[in-house]
Amino acid sequence: TQLLEQSPQFLSIQEGENLTVYCNSSSVFSSLQWYRQEPGEGPVLLVTVVTGGEVKKLKRLTFQFGDARKDSSLHITAAQPGDTGLYLCAGVFYGGSQGNLIFGKGTKLSVKP
Amino acid sequence: EAQVTQNPRYLITVTGKKLTVTCSQNMNHEYMSWYRQDPGLGLRQIYYSMNVEVTDKGDVPEGYKVSRKEKRNFPLILESPSPNQTSLYFCASSFLAGTTKNIQYFGAGTRLSVL
Repeated sequence: TQLLEQSPQFLSIQEGENLTVYCNSSSVFSSLQWYRQEPGEGPVLLVTVVTGGEVKKLKRLTFQFGDARKDSSLHITAAQPGDTGLYLCAGVFYGGSQGNLIFGKGTKLSVKP
Repeated sequence: EAQVTQNPRYLITVTGKKLTVTCSQNMNHEYMSWYRQDPGLGLRQIYYSMNVEVTDKGDVPEGYKVSRKEKRNFPLILESPSPNQTSLYFCASSFLAGTTKNIQYFGAGTRLSVL
């Protein structure tokens, strides 16, 4: 079974701090996505990356795909309480079915005012 | 409004009593998928469908069945539910799986308890 390891599992920070969440695997991804999930709701897609070394920005969120396409990171600058939620990475592994999406276990972020 | 609709949202049932959780999308998406979410285990894919009449197993398909007779509907069937199927279930859909054009929309979830 191919695994996606996310770290840290939990993160509690003060408003205004920066943070980085990591998503790692020993296998190569053909594409990787980041989602945010709030309690009682389904995950919401933030970004999809497909090219090694790719960097995408979404306001204060920066997503990076590793050169070898085995890892990804999500960096949040000046976190705000509205960023609180569960952040999930999900990938389609190279050589696997395009429909078989593997999720990491998530990083639960709490931003305190 | 683009929607993935799951029903019911909450369900309590007993072991062995067949049940169906419905999922419908109004976006003409080819791809649909079912996941279960459990504490400490994250989201795990049960089954997915790349198009009508095309379904495939995800990572945890045991004890579940699906069908895709129409593009908009992708029901999840538990023929004989067991307590280890107590979980939060999500249906999702998108146009193209695994590409940059893929915006996967999730339903609001179905919380199932099997006693």
